[in-house]
Amino acid sequence: AQKVTQAQTEISVVEKEDVTLDCVYETRDTTYYLFWYKQPPSGELVFLIRRNSFDEQNEISGRYSWNFQKSTSSFNFTITASQVVDSAVYFCALSEETSGTYKYIFGTGTRLKVLA
Amino acid sequence: GAGVSQSPRYKVAKRGQDVALRCDPISGHVSLFWYQQALGQGPEFLTYFQNEAQLDKSGLPSDRFFAERPEGSVSTLKIQRTQQEDSAVYLCASSQSSSGVSSYNEQFFGPGTRLTVL
Repeated sequence: AQKVTQAQTEISVVEKEDVTLDCVYETRDTTYYLFWYKQPPSGELVFLIRRNSFDEQNEISGRYSWNFQKSTSSFNFTITASQVVDSAVYFCALSEETSGTYKYIFGTGTRLKVLA
Repeated sequence: GAGVSQSPRYKVAKRGQDVALRCDPISGHVSLFWYQQALGQGPEFLTYFQNEAQLDKSGLPSDRFFAERPEGSVSTLKIQRTQQEDSAVYLCASSQSSSGVSSYNEQFFGPGTRLTVL
């Protein structure tokens, strides 16, 4: 069955530290998509990245980087030199082609607190 | 703005009341999703529309929940005879993609409606 696990419930770091948020997924599909979203205190989910199952290239965008490894079914997210504005809840999500709708299956989220 | 909007942002209902939550998706987006997010949890899928057709309602928790999108744009999620367990944030999302296409775009989310049932 499809599932997304974010084992880290809450992480606290001091500003400028690097932090990695873990995401492990389960799916039987060969074609699927993985996403990371940020949910700041305002509540709106903000899209960060999309990755499809055929593209295992890691990606870097500024201070953000993502490591996709199909062999371990993981799609981890690293923030380099964290800032207070990075404080939010981060969600990993899975979307399967066979769902027919591409609906998201979300993890339970990781709350990141960056302390000044 | 050009984003997804939802109204009201906050709704307090007495147990047993009916409520209606509105979603205005991004103009031109074919797909529309409703999710329910309980406190401290990730969003959970409720239902999906492709234009005006409701293609998946497998996530609706009971027959008290009803959604529509009659003209393929604005959508309304209605909850009848609200119960305390319905208290949650209801998120609407839209996407350019429709089911059956090979490429896929991400979903854009609205700010949500926080429903509190007393």
